[in-house]
Parts: sequence; structure tokens; C-alpha cells
Amino acid sequence: DVKVTQSSRYLVKRTGEKVFLECVQDMDHENMFWYRQDPGLGLRLIYFSYDVKMKEKGDIPEGYSVSREKKERFSLILESASTNQTSMYLCASKMGTRTEKLFFGSGTQLSVL
Amino acid sequence: LAKTTQPISMDSYEGQEVNITCSHNNIATNDYITWYQQFPSQGPRFIIQGYKTKVTNEVASLFIPADRKSSTLSLPRVSLSDTAVYYCLLISGTYKYIFGTGTRLKVLA
Repeated sequence: DVKVTQSSRYLVKRTGEKVFLECVQDMDHENMFWYRQDPGLGLRLIYFSYDVKMKEKGDIPEGYSVSREKKERFSLILESASTNQTSMYLCASKMGTRTEKLFFGSGTQLSVL
Repeated sequence: LAKTTQPISMDSYEGQEVNITCSHNNIATNDYITWYQQFPSQGPRFIIQGYKTKVTNEVASLFIPADRKSSTLSLPRVSLSDTAVYYCLLISGTYKYIFGTGTRLKVLA
């Protein structure tokens, strides 16, 4: 079975902390994505990566950065967490061809206090 | 970017066929239409995808009219376990998977 694993199911952090969210996929997928999901807003794309060390901004990159040092791992970094970054974060991956489907992890519910 | 519009919520009863329609008036020639399902506390899961006419798989059918400005996801004989949020989205290029707010389907006994 294909698998996208997010390191934490729940996280509680304080304002100003540096936060790392980790995502690992075991399918040798070229493309990886980070979304956040908020009630009434659906899923919004933060960043994506189409290759190792390559990254592109999505629709809401402000306050976030990413790292992809290895093909299977894509990290989302909150340099200085703020309360408005409290959200569900979802990682996804897919093969490189255009119409391949996305595989999602189970999500990390982050609370910033 | 093309945008999709779908109903916020729907209710249905077990055993009924459910049709969820999505509007995408500004769909581009190369865009594909795809649907995902999301249960609480899980990430979305792919259901079905199409370009034109009709596509059917083991869980759903997707109807796309000739002008492609809308599409309809059809779930035959739903059960309680089909209660979920259903997202319609357009694939506009390799990386642009734009999710809207989805349709919250509630299946009643």
C-alpha cells in the first residue's frame, strides 16, 4: 500500500517557536505538497516540490518555508509560529506525470498558543 | 486560475443515488476534472477523474457534458460510510491542484 506519513498527529507550540512538520512518502514520488485546511476555507496550497532541493510557492507561502533534501522527505517549517497558523496541515505526494492522483497523509493538527 | 463551485452540503438516505454537481465555467482546454473524498481526521482520497463524457469505476461515475463547464459525481446507492466531504477540482498543470471548500454529504439511515 502507498503511504504518506506525517510525523505528528497533534502538536502544541507557543507563539514565536520554530516548528518543523515532517512528511515521508515511500512511493518514490517526484512531487510533494503541503496544504493547510481551515474550516470554511477548504485546502490551500502552501508550497510544493517537484524534485530534490526544488521548491515552488503555492497560494499562501507567507510565514512558511520548506526543505527537501531527500526525495522521500518534505519538511514544512514555521520560522516563528503565530496563532493564525493554528490549522490542520496535510502533506501529499504524486508521480511526476500531469494527471496522476495525489496521495495524502493523515494530517497534523497544529495549535499555536 | 479556473475555479470550481459546488453545493456546501447535501443530505441523502441510505440506498439512494447521490449526484453532486460542480460548476467550472472557466475550464481550460487542457484541464482535467477530478474528485476527492475526505473523512474526518483523514487526508483527501482520490475517487475519480475524467476529461470528457462519462467515466465509471468501482465506486462512482463522473458525467461531463460536451461544453465541460460542469461535471457531476454520481454515487450509486450510498451507505452511512459515504458520509464525507467531496471535493471537485481541476488539474491545471502538473502541480496546480486547487481544492475548494467541498460538499459535505450526510447520509441518513
